[in-house]
Amino acid sequence: GENVEQHPSTLSVQEGDSAVIKCTYSDSASNYFPWYKQELGKRPQLIIDIRSNVGEKKDQRIAVTLNKTAKHFSLHITETQPEDSAVYFCAAREASGTYKYIFGTGTRLKVLA
Amino acid sequence: GAGVSQTPSNKVTEKGKYVELRCDPISGHTALYWYRQSLGQGPEFLIYFQGTGAADDSGLPNDRFFAVRPEGSVSTLKIQRTERGDSAVYLCASSLMASSQGEQFFGPGTRLTVL
Repeated sequence: GENVEQHPSTLSVQEGDSAVIKCTYSDSASNYFPWYKQELGKRPQLIIDIRSNVGEKKDQRIAVTLNKTAKHFSLHITETQPEDSAVYFCAAREASGTYKYIFGTGTRLKVLA
Repeated sequence: GAGVSQTPSNKVTEKGKYVELRCDPISGHTALYWYRQSLGQGPEFLIYFQGTGAADDSGLPNDRFFAVRPEGSVSTLKIQRTERGDSAVYLCASSLMASSQGEQFFGPGTRLTVL
């Protein structure tokens, strides 16, 4: 089955700097990779996703890159703002016999004003 | 409804008791997922439904856990003989179809505390 590892577990950056969070996955059949932001006590919310036939996707200050050969994908946040502070989760959706999602363990991002 | 809803929002029970957690997905969403999230961890997959049938229940930890979705909309997660280790936030999510690479929408969760 799929296994997702996420690093780092915590990340502190100065406001305006960039933040990068990395995930690796094990199942080469996985074909969809969403990223979620979860604020304290709230539900996870999708912030960006990428499909396996695409190498990069950008939405304003947020971008995701995917390297299928190496089986890793990364979240990039530029010009960070205090409201970006939250826990971020990556996930990989399997596509061989099941469509379940496996989540990473999360990265707590703190943007220091 | 506008989004995924879950009831109750909080449930406190005693060890050994039976609990039911309910999820109302977004209307028209055929895929429904259950996750368990412990403090400081990512959502842990439990089971997902495509329509009325459980397509993958490989994440259910043991036979004390069971879930149903009899009419293809509302789902109930049932936990028998609860244990302290079952304490967590139980999240439900829905999407249009499991096989489509589309967004999962999460509910607010049910915080289960087993004393």
